[in-house]
Amino acid sequence: GAVVSQHPSWVICKSGTSVKIECRSLDFQATTMFWYRQFPKQSLMLMATSNEGSKATYEQGVEKDKFLINHASLTLSTLTVTSAHPEDSSFYICSASPPGQGYSPLHFGNGTRLTVT
Amino acid sequence: QKEVEQDPGPLSVPEGAIVSLNCTYSNSAFQYFMWYRQYSRKGPELLMYTYSSGNKEDGRFTAQVDKSSKYISLFIRDSQPSDSATYLCAMTILTGGGNKLTFGTGTQLKVEL
Repeated sequence: GAVVSQHPSWVICKSGTSVKIECRSLDFQATTMFWYRQFPKQSLMLMATSNEGSKATYEQGVEKDKFLINHASLTLSTLTVTSAHPEDSSFYICSASPPGQGYSPLHFGNGTRLTVT
Repeated sequence: QKEVEQDPGPLSVPEGAIVSLNCTYSNSAFQYFMWYRQYSRKGPELLMYTYSSGNKEDGRFTAQVDKSSKYISLFIRDSQPSDSATYLCAMTILTGGGNKLTFGTGTQLKVEL
């Protein structure tokens, strides 16, 4: 159980275009999902918290107009990288935790490798 | 000083060895401690999570937490080549019902035949 699916697994786009990444919780409902970014040989950095039915909460230094997050249903959050530039090339990973009593740890998708040319 | 420190390795061991992976942290408010395994070009996979100080065992894996020393460990017994991956420690404070994780930098492990 607790499967988080991400699509696409990799994408190449041209500078200036936008790219949408989908994150789905397959066997549970998630009111909150988290988006992380990981550069090569570095750890995961939290970008934003996606809240179903309300605005996302962005971490300090993350441009909300550049990284648009939409959490329209309890099983789907999307991250759109707008006007992508080569420095946006990275590994983007979403996560969520199934609801329940007590603590429920985060489960991660398999990530999306974005390359901006 | 980072909130969570983890030796990046790489750590190379022979098959069958006992592996010890460690993290130290500075924020005594952390409540839950996780270990994730990440294969190359994949998302992190949850291995274990713990709350209290002490040991928790799951198969070949043992997680250890020492809150007084702000130190956590993951032990892997009878290591296999398939254990070769990057191991990330993570921890969180559950304020307001959130689940924002603070990660270590990860330790790259290679188990050789």
